[in-house]
Amino acid sequence: AQSVTQLDSHVSVSEGTPVLLRCNYSSSYSPSLFWYVQHPNKGLQLLLKYTSAATLVKGINGFEAEFKKSETSFHLTKPSAHMSDAAEYFCVVSDRLLRGTSYGKLTFGQGTILTVHP
Amino acid sequence: KAGVTQTPRYLIKTRGQQVTLSCSPISGHRSVSWYQQTPGQGLQFLFEYFSETQRNKGNFPGRFSGRQFSNSRSEMNVSTLELGDSALYLCASSLEAAFNTGELFFGEGSRLTVL
Repeated sequence: AQSVTQLDSHVSVSEGTPVLLRCNYSSSYSPSLFWYVQHPNKGLQLLLKYTSAATLVKGINGFEAEFKKSETSFHLTKPSAHMSDAAEYFCVVSDRLLRGTSYGKLTFGQGTILTVHP
Repeated sequence: KAGVTQTPRYLIKTRGQQVTLSCSPISGHRSVSWYQQTPGQGLQFLFEYFSETQRNKGNFPGRFSGRQFSNSRSEMNVSTLELGDSALYLCASSLEAAFNTGELFFGEGSRLTVL
């Protein structure tokens, strides 16, 4: 069975400092991994995705994530936080339910709320 | 290209009533997924429809149902509303089945309050 654990429910940083949002996953087969962002009173927006190509994935708004199979992690980073980055972030894993079938599911983490202080 | 449109955006119901929420996906998208979002439970998958067929279903009681029309528009219905059904209901569309792409395009949600 697949699962996603976002290790921090809240992260607080100062504007201009680095951002690190942590995500660990478990998966039976070869997963695809995603980060989504949700600004207040909005729907979710895809930030970036990993689908077994390069392990370092670049996304929108300066975010990137590194897939580390040995650590089963897919942490999201940004070198310098901006006030507009304040939002909730979701790590998502997509995996097959049964090998060789086309049935699968997406599993969302519980979310990490990022606060950016001036 | 227009995004995913959900209606109504806000609604208030009382216990025991039923509600229907609507979702118009991005043009050309054949998959529509529904999620319930609450502060306590986070994002929970309700169901996915692809080409008018329910492809996947989450762990919700039978009071929650949905359907998809030939133009890919989708509706979800909740009957016999309970206080715990108060939530933001999010619809997401994708070109292919959601699991295959993982690239979902979300609407802004319908916020349901049950009194």
